Amino acid sequence: EPEVTQTPSHQVTQMGQEVILRCVPISNHLYFYWYRQILGQKVEFLVSFYNNEISEKSEIFDDQFSVERPDGSNFTLKIRSTKLEDSAMYFCASKLGRARETQYFGPGTRLLVL
Amino acid sequence: SQKIEQNSEALNIQEGKTATLTCNYTNYSPAYLQWYRQDPGRGPVFLLLIRENEKEKRKERLKVTFDTTLKQSLFHITASQPADSATYLCALDDGAGSYQLTFGKGTKLSVIP
Repeated sequence: EPEVTQTPSHQVTQMGQEVILRCVPISNHLYFYWYRQILGQKVEFLVSFYNNEISEKSEIFDDQFSVERPDGSNFTLKIRSTKLEDSAMYFCASKLGRARETQYFGPGTRLLVL
Repeated sequence: SQKIEQNSEALNIQEGKTATLTCNYTNYSPAYLQWYRQDPGRGPVFLLLIRENEKEKRKERLKVTFDTTLKQSLFHITASQPADSATYLCALDDGAGSYQLTFGKGTKLSVIP
């Protein structure tokens, strides 16, 4: 069964450093999402992406965040200058179309900012 | 503002019993509602989707109800097993845009052998 994959599974970085989290969505899916989950808290929406541009973004997704689909398979989240409070699990998700359908989540990247 | 509440943070039940989890929402008019399972350190896994015109939906030992008048969904696991122990998340979309999901905080279910 097709699945969303994410790399790396864990990332440790120093405050102020840039990190890139990578996702490979399910191949025929058209909508892509990033969510994050701070330890012990809810899964929160960050950004959605369709047709090579951002569709929606939350107030969490400020100027230090960016997303990109550099080729036909990868979907990346970049954090330019990490802060301690960026430590969280980051989940990528994808779905087939715009309609209200199931989103399929990847296993997540655990980011720890020291 | 829109709000989703899952009433119990944790629920312990005996193996073989039926677990019932509750999701309440305010300031939404969702056309559908979803339930996900999340294991520690893992991503949410889709379980069931129920539409506003569906009062009940079943999948194997799982059953979901959706009452748009009460603004509530109930999630049942019958004949529960220790392997059902996980956090169960209720999720709604915002009804516009790219239909990104808003999640409840989840209920951590522990099934005791």
